[in-house]
Amino acid sequence: KAGVTQTPRYLIKTRGQQVTLSCSPISGHRSVSWYQQTPGQGLQFLFEYFSETQRNKGNFPGRFSGRQFSNSRSEMNVSTLELGDSALYLCASSSTSGGNEQFFGPGTRLTVL
Amino acid sequence: GENVEQHPSTLSVQEGDSAVIKCTYSDSASNYFPWYKQELGKRPQLIIDIRSNVGEKKDQRIAVTLNKTAKHFSLHITETQPEDSAVYFCAATNSGYALNFGKGTSLLVTP
Repeated sequence: KAGVTQTPRYLIKTRGQQVTLSCSPISGHRSVSWYQQTPGQGLQFLFEYFSETQRNKGNFPGRFSGRQFSNSRSEMNVSTLELGDSALYLCASSSTSGGNEQFFGPGTRLTVL
Repeated sequence: GENVEQHPSTLSVQEGDSAVIKCTYSDSASNYFPWYKQELGKRPQLIIDIRSNVGEKKDQRIAVTLNKTAKHFSLHITETQPEDSAVYFCAATNSGYALNFGKGTSLLVTP
């Protein structure tokens, strides 16, 4: 089975712009979670989607949003970018039958200038 | 919400020695505790996990212990090898898919 894929892998934006990141889960996985990784804060949970519905949400401002499509692919959007949004954005997919193991994608490295 | 603290932040051991990383959590409802290994420039990968109905789990050189009363869990790596060098993250959750991570431990195994 192909692993979790994320596009694009690298992105450079300027403050005030918005960005959309994409995640394709492992085939058959219906849960997709998003995390922000920074050197200072580590890995922080953003949100989780299952069957096109947001099931869990972390403590991030409303500028961070996401959605999931019927084929389980997910996108996250960040509006009005700030310098502090520079980070590695990781998505992870899980099979909801059996364990909780989350399989991570390679991440999208976002740099905000 | 859940708060996970992880210690130490850095750990250096000689090849062949054991390494222990400890985590504490705040939410007594947490019931799933995975450990991830992240090598430089790579994605996190699950190395072992434990559920709240189990006190210990072992997989070859890696073991995890859980003390629900004290709300802490630990990762034990025996007979460390240079390829064990990486950043290790613990996590806890009561919802299955919303992982609350510790800040990570950078493990260096020197030959």
